[in-house]
Amino acid sequence: DAGVTQSPTHLIKTRGQQVTLRCSPKSGHDTVSWYQQALGQGPQFIFQYYEEEERQRGNFPDRFSGHQFPNYSSELNVNALLLGDSALYLCASSWGALAGVQETQYFGPGTRLLVL
Amino acid sequence: KQEVTQIPAALSVPEGENLVLNCSFTDSAIYNLQWFRQDPGKGLTSLLLIQSSQREQTSGRLNASLDKSSGRSTLYIAASQPGDSATYLCAVGTGTASKLTFGTGTRLQVTL
Repeated sequence: DAGVTQSPTHLIKTRGQQVTLRCSPKSGHDTVSWYQQALGQGPQFIFQYYEEEERQRGNFPDRFSGHQFPNYSSELNVNALLLGDSALYLCASSWGALAGVQETQYFGPGTRLLVL
Repeated sequence: KQEVTQIPAALSVPEGENLVLNCSFTDSAIYNLQWFRQDPGKGLTSLLLIQSSQREQTSGRLNASLDKSSGRSTLYIAASQPGDSATYLCAVGTGTASKLTFGTGTRLQVTL
């Protein structure tokens, strides 16, 4: 059973460019959350997708957007990259996002983004 | 706004020692609390999940407790081993959308 997978593993971009990161959830999971982890910090919640809709959003600007596909996989898009966007981007999957259903979240290995 | 604090930020212990990692949170209206392990440059591995109605969870040499009213959790690691060296992150789950709020972690080194 494959766990959460993310691609690419590493990425180097320059300021002003756009980037797309991809995530495939663990088998049987229908909810995908994205987190940004700066060096030496804990992960920060970006947003969560369930039933192809953004269900909740953290304190991130509109430059950060996402999408969920019918097969539950997800993309994170970041426009107009800034140096401060350099971080490890983590995807987490779980089952059920309604009515406070809270299950263990499983994290992927992350995509390390460096913005020069 | 939920804030999660972990103390200490770093810890070095000799192999075989029992140790306790601390986590505190400001808003007791949580659904659950989860402890994760993160190896350098890697993703997160879930260690233990405690639902808000529970007091503790155990897995092997790990035991996590939760005192929701005081906003505290502890992770107890028995008989530490060099392979336990990693950063340990505490996260609280809030809201209907399974949002996790993380602490900044405790970096643990277990020496031979």
